[in-house]
Amino acid sequence: DTGVSQDPRHKITKRGQNVTFRCDPISEHNRLYWYRQTLGQGPEFLTYFQNEAQLEKSRLLSDRFSAERPKGSFSTLEIQRTEQGDSAMYLCASSLGQLFQETQYFGPGTRLLVL
Amino acid sequence: EDKVVQSPLSLVVHEGDTVTLNCSYEVTNFRSLLWYKQEKKAPTFLFMLTSSGIEKKSGRLSSILDKKELFSILNITATQTGDSAIYLCAVLYNTGNQFYFGTGTSLTVIP
Repeated sequence: DTGVSQDPRHKITKRGQNVTFRCDPISEHNRLYWYRQTLGQGPEFLTYFQNEAQLEKSRLLSDRFSAERPKGSFSTLEIQRTEQGDSAMYLCASSLGQLFQETQYFGPGTRLLVL
Repeated sequence: EDKVVQSPLSLVVHEGDTVTLNCSYEVTNFRSLLWYKQEKKAPTFLFMLTSSGIEKKSGRLSSILDKKELFSILNITATQTGDSAIYLCAVLYNTGNQFYFGTGTSLTVIP
């Protein structure tokens, strides 16, 4: 399967714990995006990378959230000191990033539940 | 603030009906609009629209963009139960690389 993959698919954690999610984009895609989606809402942009450079971060992304893409391939999203409000589906998407080749292809998501 | 608004929020139809879903946007420096279908998992890509008045078609689904009136429609003809899903609209604008998603239209097709 050459699509976007995410790991883990589900994560249950206690409030205050740190969690880390991984995303492996489609191999030739140089752009990688993280989104958060809660029930009844569309995906909400968190951040995106062009190769290994993090080029944009949402104003909504608190400093408890950090993302990396160290070699321009896979990416990790870490949430420190989780709160119940962090419970959501975390989606990763990738794209070629060229003009009119911006279609984003989504991974299956990581569903986080903070107790 | 830029907004993407979808309507209706939810829709229930019978198999065989035709539905029209709407997406209006207020973003400045518009670049493209995308439609996605989301079942109980991640969104899957349907269409990307950049030019006004040019219909994109895939089987029973079609979509068109009106850049003057700032909206797009997604049509589904001869609906089937497998069309039941949330349909998301997302807009990309020139001053960034951030897609703004609407809240989606939840479509339920009854046999």
